[in-house]
Amino acid sequence: EVQLVESGGGLVQPGGSLRLSCAASGFTFSSYWMSWVRQAPGKGLEWVANIKQDGSEKYYVDSVKGRFTISRDNAKNSLYLQMNSLRAEDTAVYYCARDPSPAASYYGMDVWGQGTTVTVSS
Amino acid sequence: QSVLTQPPSVSEAPRQRVTISCSGSSSNIGNNAVNWYQQLPGKAPKLLIYYDDLLPSGVSDRFSGSKSGTSASLAISGLQSEDEADYYCAAWDDSLNDWVFGGGTKLTVL
Repeated sequence: EVQLVESGGGLVQPGGSLRLSCAASGFTFSSYWMSWVRQAPGKGLEWVANIKQDGSEKYYVDSVKGRFTISRDNAKNSLYLQMNSLRAEDTAVYYCARDPSPAASYYGMDVWGQGTTVTVSS
Repeated sequence: QSVLTQPPSVSEAPRQRVTISCSGSSSNIGNNAVNWYQQLPGKAPKLLIYYDDLLPSGVSDRFSGSKSGTSASLAISGLQSEDEADYYCAAWDDSLNDWVFGGGTKLTVL
């Protein structure tokens, strides 16, 4: 079964750090771009970042540039999101998703995890 | 303010047909395919339509998509109560080098 499972969410104070993980199974992880997408409480979906198969290309939404870092370990079939200098507005459910790549965007993000909740509050 | 524009909500009676619009620009919808996602209450998003009008395996053919220029639409026919969900359009934006989403449309089946 193709599956993505996120972990690492929790409550963190403003200015703090958190590292999210996403464990992939059921497909050849190293063959796919991957994305993080978040959803603030009661709000819509917001793409956060994506990463190429070998980690050589990464893109970020402007609001997280310089604060968040996406990475992956293909040997462990895992995707990560290092979040630093967290702000209240980063509070959201964070989903990892299998990304078709910018060049093949027409395929859409076809596999999603169940999400992990990040709350930034003092 | 989302890059892609959707109506916040739509509603229609069971067994009827509803459409949800998605408006963008030349750097996203005008130059790239549109994908649609369905998010049932409390669940993760699910790919509903890809490449403007194609259905992933297992998606009911009551759902259909279309695109013209810088706008796209999702149509749902034969509405059922189980279709109550939030629907999002999305596309890659060549200028931003970002995935951009619509703000989402909440569908209520009356």
